[in-house]
Amino acid sequence: AQSVTQLDSQVPVFEEAPVELRCNYSSSVSVYLFWYVQYPNQGLQLLLKYLSGSTLVESINGFEAEFNKSQTSFHLRKPSVHISDTAEYFCAVSTKGSGTYKYIFGTGTRLKVLA
Amino acid sequence: NAGVTQTPKFRVLKTGQSMTLLCAQDMNHEYMYWYRQDPGMGLRLIHYSVGEGTTAKGEVPDGYNVSRLKKQNFLLGLESAAPSQTSVYFCASSLGLAPAYNEQFFGPGTRLTVL
Repeated sequence: AQSVTQLDSQVPVFEEAPVELRCNYSSSVSVYLFWYVQYPNQGLQLLLKYLSGSTLVESINGFEAEFNKSQTSFHLRKPSVHISDTAEYFCAVSTKGSGTYKYIFGTGTRLKVLA
Repeated sequence: NAGVTQTPKFRVLKTGQSMTLLCAQDMNHEYMYWYRQDPGMGLRLIHYSVGEGTTAKGEVPDGYNVSRLKKQNFLLGLESAAPSQTSVYFCASSLGLAPAYNEQFFGPGTRLTVL
């Protein structure tokens, strides 16, 4: 069965410091990977995704994630965070099983950027 | 283009009362989803729909019913509310299920409290 694990429920980090939010998945078939961001009192919105091709994908606001098949990971990184990056981040995996695609969300990591 | 909208934004119910949450999307998406979000548990899929007139059970369907009479609307009903259904409910939609089309667009959420 497919699964997504976000080990860190909360990550505090000072402004302008680097951050890495971890995501690991388990699947015996091909996977497609996503990161969503949820700002306070809002719905989720797509941050970036990996479907195929280059294993390093970037978002417009400076985040990047790298698909590592051998380590079954898709960690999210940013070299210098801003206060406005404070949000909850969800990793999601899409896989094909039993003839249809499934979409599974992780439990989320709450990023708090401190001044 | 409003995207995905949800009505109401907040609601307080007493145990045993019923209510319907309305989700509407104006993107002509085939697929629609209802999730609940609880602390430490991420997003859990309640029900989903692959097109007008069709619905299917997700991960946690018990105590909920859904209907998709029109392509743009997806209703979530609670027939007899219980305190365990206190949660934030999110509706989402996507163009398809295949990875190139399954980015999910979320509504702003409905915060439901059952006393």
